[in-house]
Amino acid sequence: DAGVIQSPRHEVTEMGQEVTLRCKPISGHDYLFWYRQTMMRGLELLIYFNNNVPIDDSGMPEDRFSAKMPNASFSTLKIQPSEPRDSAVYFCASTTGQGWRDGYTFGSGTRLTVV
Amino acid sequence: GQNIDQPTEMTATEGAIVQINCTYQTSGFNGLFWYQQHAGEAPTFLSYNVLDGLEEKGRFSSFLSRSKGYSYLLLKELQMKDSASYLCAVPQAGTALIFGKGTTLSVSS
Repeated sequence: DAGVIQSPRHEVTEMGQEVTLRCKPISGHDYLFWYRQTMMRGLELLIYFNNNVPIDDSGMPEDRFSAKMPNASFSTLKIQPSEPRDSAVYFCASTTGQGWRDGYTFGSGTRLTVV
Repeated sequence: GQNIDQPTEMTATEGAIVQINCTYQTSGFNGLFWYQQHAGEAPTFLSYNVLDGLEEKGRFSSFLSRSKGYSYLLLKELQMKDSASYLCAVPQAGTALIFGKGTTLSVSS
């Protein structure tokens, strides 16, 4: 298995632009999570899905952030408009409802820089 | 809600033993996880404890005391490659993990 695949690996954009981050979970994993990591705040949960349905989006900072999971193999996190304070590493992770004791598998992350 | 506390940084030398502590407060307990994260990389799963006591896995062991809201990760025979951040995490209601800010361990020769 190729693991959790995220794209792009790096993204540099100007303030006010729309940014879309992509994630392909491990096949058969029915939970998908989006996290954001910064030095100041650590690894923060933004939103998670179960069987493509958003379960908890209370971590989404504000209305500029949105996430979708149109099918079991694809999810997007969109920021519109982007701001410099959104600069962070964004991780996607997946796991199974049955085997979550084995922990999550994280993607390699997308390093976002908003200038 | 959840609250997780870990030391920010620790240093140790090759071959030594180091213990990284984690205290947590949670409204319901469904286990405690430890992850390792090397600089510039994704977190990787190390261990899961749901019952009190010590779980050993090679050079790494993890301990849990549910009554004290306390866990530690014990690393033996330290190697340079163990230099990384170690994250303690607990599930919130449901499946989603909430992470501590991590302990950055520096191993020197």
